[in-house]
Amino acid sequence: DAGVIQSPRHEVTEMGQEVTLRCKPISGHDYLFWYRQTMMRGLELLIYFNNNVPIDDSGMPEDRFSAKMPNASFSTLKIQPSEPRDSAVYFCASQTSRNEQFFGPGTRLTVL
Amino acid sequence: AQKVTQAQTEISVVEKEDVTLDCVYETRDTTYYLFWYKQPPSGELVFLIRRNSFDEQNEISGRYSWNFQKSTSSFNFTITASQVVDSAVYFCALSEANYVTGGFKTIFGAGTRLFVKA
Repeated sequence: DAGVIQSPRHEVTEMGQEVTLRCKPISGHDYLFWYRQTMMRGLELLIYFNNNVPIDDSGMPEDRFSAKMPNASFSTLKIQPSEPRDSAVYFCASQTSRNEQFFGPGTRLTVL
Repeated sequence: AQKVTQAQTEISVVEKEDVTLDCVYETRDTTYYLFWYKQPPSGELVFLIRRNSFDEQNEISGRYSWNFQKSTSSFNFTITASQVVDSAVYFCALSEANYVTGGFKTIFGAGTRLFVKA
């Protein structure tokens, strides 16, 4: 298995632009998580899905952020419009029924 | 209120020494989950362990061991005979029920940076 796949690995964009981050979880994993990591705030859980359904999005910072999981093999995290303070590394992780999480390599987002 | 404290910002040891990373948590719930993650210099996050609040058994996995003590609200992580490859930032996390959304709310400690010198 290729593991959790995230794309792009790096994204540089200008303030106000729409940004879409993509994640392909490991096949057969029921849970999918989106995290954000910054120097100021550390690691934060943004949202997670169970069987493609969003369960808890209380970590999503504001309405500019949205996440979808249209099927078991794909999820997106969208920021519209993006702001410089959104610059961070965004991780996606999928989880087995034994509660082991596997992380993707992350997307480093820079908003200028 | 939910809180995770990793009081040790940085620890430096020499290879083969044992090292314990502390994690103290606060929660009002009786059902919760505790985690440890490793983040090596390459930046990826590696899941190490998940424990639920009803399972206080200590766990050992190779050179890694975890000591969960509800009486002191601690979930400490010990690396025995440390190696240079153990150099990383280690995060402790707490997950408890989010009664508003019906899911689980997870917060992370600030992390402890471990340097293992050869």
